[in-house]
Amino acid sequence: QQQVKQSPQSLIVQKGGISIINCAYENTAFDYFPWYQQFPGKGPALLIAIRPDVSEKKEGRFTISFNKSAKQFSLHIMDSQPGDSATYFCAPRSSGTYKYIFGTGTRLKVLA
Amino acid sequence: DTEVTQTPKHLVMGMTNKKSLKCEQHMGHRAMYWYKQKAKKPPELMFVYSYEKLSINESVPSRFSPECPNSSLLNLHLHALQPEDSALYLCASSQARSRGPRSPLHFGNGTRLTVT
Repeated sequence: QQQVKQSPQSLIVQKGGISIINCAYENTAFDYFPWYQQFPGKGPALLIAIRPDVSEKKEGRFTISFNKSAKQFSLHIMDSQPGDSATYFCAPRSSGTYKYIFGTGTRLKVLA
Repeated sequence: DTEVTQTPKHLVMGMTNKKSLKCEQHMGHRAMYWYKQKAKKPPELMFVYSYEKLSINESVPSRFSPECPNSSLLNLHLHALQPEDSALYLCASSQARSRGPRSPLHFGNGTRLTVT
């Protein structure tokens, strides 16, 4: 069974700091690597995503780093802001299917 | 505002009631999903419809009955639920798999269901 391990479970960062969230997976049958952001009472929203043939993608303050050989991908939030306080999920997609395997989530709190 | 609309936002029902959750999207997506999310947990996939046909049923109990009347609408019919079914029910849509792998999920804001 495909598994995705996300860490840390929770994270507290000072305003302006860097938040780093990691996901590790156990097999290579994924073809798309998105990160979702969820605020309380809302549905998850796509934050940023990467293809497996790319090692890094940056969109504004958000960067995904992808290490295919290590089977890991991470989300970096630069200049973290209190408005970034939310729960973040990695959710790689199982190749050729409609199944997105959600990580366990990381609750980020950015202190003002 | 999300492009996937779910109604109602909140629902309280007894264990003998029958109710329905509704989801609508107008992005032209041909894949639609139901997820269940318990507090402080990730969303769990329940059903996927592709081109209005049931594609995935993740061994969901028969007290949950999905329906996809057309390409824009998705319903979840509820009957004889248990208190442990209380959760946030999320609808999502995406491009069909035939359009390529890199189609993210677009989620609605969910229906908060409480079973008493």
